[in-house]
Amino acid sequence: GAVVSQHPSWVICKSGTSVKIECRSLDFQATTMFWYRQFPKQSLMLMATSNEGSKATYEQGVEKDKFLINHASLTLSTLTVTSAHPEDSSFYICSARPPHGTSQETQYFGPGTRLLVL
Amino acid sequence: GENVGLHLPTLSVQEGDNSIINCAYSNSASDYFIWYKQESGKGPQFIIDIRSNMDKRQGQRVTVLLNKTVKHLSLQIAATQPGDSAVYFCAETGATNKLIFGTGTLLAVQP
Repeated sequence: GAVVSQHPSWVICKSGTSVKIECRSLDFQATTMFWYRQFPKQSLMLMATSNEGSKATYEQGVEKDKFLINHASLTLSTLTVTSAHPEDSSFYICSARPPHGTSQETQYFGPGTRLLVL
Repeated sequence: GENVGLHLPTLSVQEGDNSIINCAYSNSASDYFIWYKQESGKGPQFIIDIRSNMDKRQGQRVTVLLNKTVKHLSLQIAATQPGDSAVYFCAETGATNKLIFGTGTLLAVQP
């Protein structure tokens, strides 16, 4: 159980284009999902917390107009990198938290999406 | 920008030996800790967790030790196997329910 998927697994795009990444919880409903970014040989850095039916909460230094997050259902959150530039190239990972009553603090991670902006 | 020369701390062990990976966490108010394993190009995989009211927890071939006095967490892997080779991250969380990840340790298992 507790499977989280991401799509696409990798994407290459031209500078200036927008890229949408999907995160799905496959076997549980997740009221809260998280988006992380990871640069090579570095740790995961939290970008934002995505709550179903409400606006995302962004971490300090993360531009909300640059990284659009939508959490329209209990099993899907999307991250859109708008007007992507080469410095946005990174490994983007989402996670989802099981519903209340289980181990609520535990987050289960997706397989990640590798973004390369040319 | 690119971090030239950045490298992860590395622990190199022989297959069959026990491994101990250490982590210093930052927030004394954190009350829940998790170890994750991340293989190259993949997302983190949950290994084991521990709450702050415990100092030791055992799983299958893995043990987590928590020392709140010095804010130290360790992961012990018994009879390390080549498939254990990966980057291991500790993570802490507290009242905010946000996970804060440590810097990571690369475990290299020599056959």
